[in-house]
Amino acid sequence: GESVGLHLPTLSVQEGDNSIINCAYSNSASDYFIWYKQESGKGPQFIIDIRSNMDKRQGQRVTVLLNKTVKHLSLQIAATQPGDSAVYFCAENAQRTGGGADGLTFGKGTHLIIQP
Amino acid sequence: SAVISQKPSRDICQRGTSLTIQCQVDSQVTMMFWYRQQPGQSLTLIATANQGSEATYESGFVIDKFPISRPNLTFSTLTVSNMSPEDSSIYLCSVTQGAHEQYFGPGTRLTVT
Repeated sequence: GESVGLHLPTLSVQEGDNSIINCAYSNSASDYFIWYKQESGKGPQFIIDIRSNMDKRQGQRVTVLLNKTVKHLSLQIAATQPGDSAVYFCAENAQRTGGGADGLTFGKGTHLIIQP
Repeated sequence: SAVISQKPSRDICQRGTSLTIQCQVDSQVTMMFWYRQQPGQSLTLIATANQGSEATYESGFVIDKFPISRPNLTFSTLTVSNMSPEDSSIYLCSVTQGAHEQYFGPGTRLTVT
């Protein structure tokens, strides 16, 4: 199938290591952020979200950190597995010129490759 | 989370023709959205599909090119009109559940020749 990571930054990590994927967002008015995982040929899969009134949120093997001062978001994946190989996107819920509530603005994405 | 299906999953179309993509959700949802993902790129919001009223389009997208229907709370269609090779993309619908959580369908892979 077509590779959605063809033009995206790549992060390569060893299986079992921790990985950190970073994202810079642009709109200081954004109040909600989501990380998605997209495997080749599939739609984005919801991983974890965080509201702007939080700095950190943990899920199963994943942690999202939010630094509003520098408008930076990161996704930490612990003990990476081969199944974690995918493209990861951050998304923000920003005010839209069209007025559509909850429409998301996506970051560029990072292609995570897990090496055995 | 809601189960979202799209039809067709992929299609190859000739320039100048139109294609209608369907999005079906297994539960009633308030908010439905359509996104485009060009090859190797990120997702871009096309419009919000409003039930019972016209869709709300984002900058750079117009109703004549991407007419949208939303006849009920579980179904929406996106038409890509008068297609050109630049319209070759993956088209995705999504729905909001809970306060803001947004879930995506599998996408429709469109190739225009």
